[in-house]
Amino acid sequence: QSALTQPASVSGSPGQSITISCAGSSSDVGGYNYVSWYQQHPGKAPKLMISDVSNRPSGVSNRFSGSKSGNTASLTISGLQAEDEADYYCSSYTSGNTLEVFGGGTKLTVL
Amino acid sequence: EVQLVQSGAEVKKPGESLKISCQGSGYSFANYWIAWVRQMPGKGLEWMGIIYPGDSDTRYSPSFRGQVTISADKSISTAYLQWSSLKASDTAMYYCARQVPARYYMDVWGKGTTVTVSS
Repeated sequence: QSALTQPASVSGSPGQSITISCAGSSSDVGGYNYVSWYQQHPGKAPKLMISDVSNRPSGVSNRFSGSKSGNTASLTISGLQAEDEADYYCSSYTSGNTLEVFGGGTKLTVL
Repeated sequence: EVQLVQSGAEVKKPGESLKISCQGSGYSFANYWIAWVRQMPGKGLEWMGIIYPGDSDTRYSPSFRGQVTISADKSISTAYLQWSSLKASDTAMYYCARQVPARYYMDVWGKGTTVTVSS
């Protein structure tokens, strides 16, 4: 069982916006601003999309944004494009007995 | 260009040992953490552990402590993940990723090494 909880799947039509949630606890998501998001296309390595809750690395589209409220972080993708169809994982620093934890992943389908 | 180059796919039998590698280039290898991440077939990402090549400080997820060994040789900018006795359940893709010190995100990833354990 993953330490962080994500919905198994979300979907949206091109041009729409979607939000993927990542629920944790005060020991991880809620306690630190160290939430990151990764995009993984089939057969490819993960790619960093958001770091430190809401920072977008150079080269990542500004259609991707991150936020946090309490123990839940969110990734929002606006203006959905076919190329956004992928798996998305959140990750957080944790004060638990492991340094970092991933969410279970969310499959985004662009209809 | 900053990159991590991982060793090639491996096919092993249960009980055999294995060491896979991850070589960094284009940056100061000793000054960034290297994390290892497992992805079992059709499943999600699992954080296994991390090493700081500068002083070999190593941390493990409890799920993997005692099951694998993470090491590094900063002189050749290479990190390693090894098993002393493989099990079928070790069949997975293994990624290495660079992590910025004191920041908990992985900004550069290797392409992954597929490990298949089958009798």
